[in-house]
Amino acid sequence: ILNVEQSPQSLHVQEGDSTNFTCSFPSSNFYALHWYRWETAKSPEALFVMTLNGDEKKKGRISATLNTKEGYSYLYIKGSQPEDSATYLCAPIRAAGNKLTFGGGTRVLVKP
Amino acid sequence: NAGVTQTPKFRILKIGQSMTLQCAQDMNHNYMYWYRQDPGMGLKLIYYSVGAGITDKGEVPNGYNVSRSTTEDFPLRLELAAPSQTSVYFCASSYSRDWTEGYTFGSGTRLTVV
Repeated sequence: ILNVEQSPQSLHVQEGDSTNFTCSFPSSNFYALHWYRWETAKSPEALFVMTLNGDEKKKGRISATLNTKEGYSYLYIKGSQPEDSATYLCAPIRAAGNKLTFGGGTRVLVKP
Repeated sequence: NAGVTQTPKFRILKIGQSMTLQCAQDMNHNYMYWYRQDPGMGLKLIYYSVGAGITDKGEVPNGYNVSRSTTEDFPLRLELAAPSQTSVYFCASSYSRDWTEGYTFGSGTRLTVV
């Protein structure tokens, strides 16, 4: 079982501010990392799938970076809006694995 | 395309009862997964399948069973329901482990065991 840590567990952000949070995972046998956005009462939706060290992905105001050598990924939200309020999950998959292991998530609440 | 369809959306079970959570996908995905949502713990993998006729245990398989007789369907069976199985259950699918668009999740089944 992979040990996947996300920090912080929750954060409050003022509308218009930018924020970022971390996903840490074992760097050995790394294959890919997924990021999901999970709104309350809905199902998780894929944001990014990242595979290469140094990868950067962007979707609108949300972006992510990946460091496979040290085993972490950052997700950034620029100019947070209330609709960004959600739980953000990361999930790595190992080279010989067939399944994602999810972290506990970072719950983001954007205050107007 | 309907994507991943889960039924029922809600269910209340009495302790000791059994039920099957249904999951169907119409995207011709080979890989299918069952997760449960534990508060503060994100998603825990119960069982998964890499193709018809092949299933394997995840992190929390006890108290559950699965089958995969077709590519489309991946039902999850609860035998002798216990209060600890109160949770929201999500089914997901992907074409392969290389699926660059990530998993597609169903809308979830909220189960309460009383």
